[in-house]
Amino acid sequence: DIQLTQSPSFLSASVGDRVTITCRASQGISSYLAWYQQKPGKAPKLLIYAASTLQSGVPSRFSGSGSGTDFTLTISSLQPEDFATYYCQHLNSYPPFTFGPGTTVDIK
Amino acid sequence: QVTLKESGPALVKPTQTLTLTCTFSGFSLTTREMRVSWIRQPPGKALEWLARIDWDDEKFYSTSLKTRLTISKDTSKNQVVLTMANMDPVDTATYYCARMGYYYDSRGYSRKYFDYWGQGALVTVSS
Repeated sequence: DIQLTQSPSFLSASVGDRVTITCRASQGISSYLAWYQQKPGKAPKLLIYAASTLQSGVPSRFSGSGSGTDFTLTISSLQPEDFATYYCQHLNSYPPFTFGPGTTVDIK
Repeated sequence: QVTLKESGPALVKPTQTLTLTCTFSGFSLTTREMRVSWIRQPPGKALEWLARIDWDDEKFYSTSLKTRLTISKDTSKNQVVLTMANMDPVDTATYYCARMGYYYDSRGYSRKYFDYWGQGALVTVSS
């Protein structure tokens, strides 16, 4: 099975900062990756799928890129509502559906 | 508008069987390519996919938990039910149900993601 790692595990940033989170797959997965945002006590929310396709309703300050084994989620200008934990997920055609361990973005 | 909501006991004893129900609206599990999964998240930990059921009643389970899991659907009630046998304190988690969206890749395979989630149900396993 594909394994996903994320870096950093935790980062502190300020409102207005540009933030980049990395997800690395244990083997090449083309562009088959999604990103989710989870706030404390809430369900995850889909942000991006197919590595770079923004889900409907997600602000354009979020963007995704990458292919193969290395992927990034970028928040161009961090907003107060963006402080959360972010997970990547391998878009497998068959189970299992693997998630990364998460990156928590906290207020500096 | 797609919504999902989990229901079930908040507390179960070790060795008991957990039964969770996902009641959804805004889509039908009789529609081709519709799928619903269960995912769980222990406190402070990452997400773990558990099981999936498809419109055609095909079922898939986590390899590590498949002997303990059963997923089923009642399309007349718009519900998906997950049972997990032999509960243990390590199974304490928030359990989510989620609809699966998809797109087709260049080779015609459907790539699946979780586009709508329920609010989650916290289940504590303790005697």
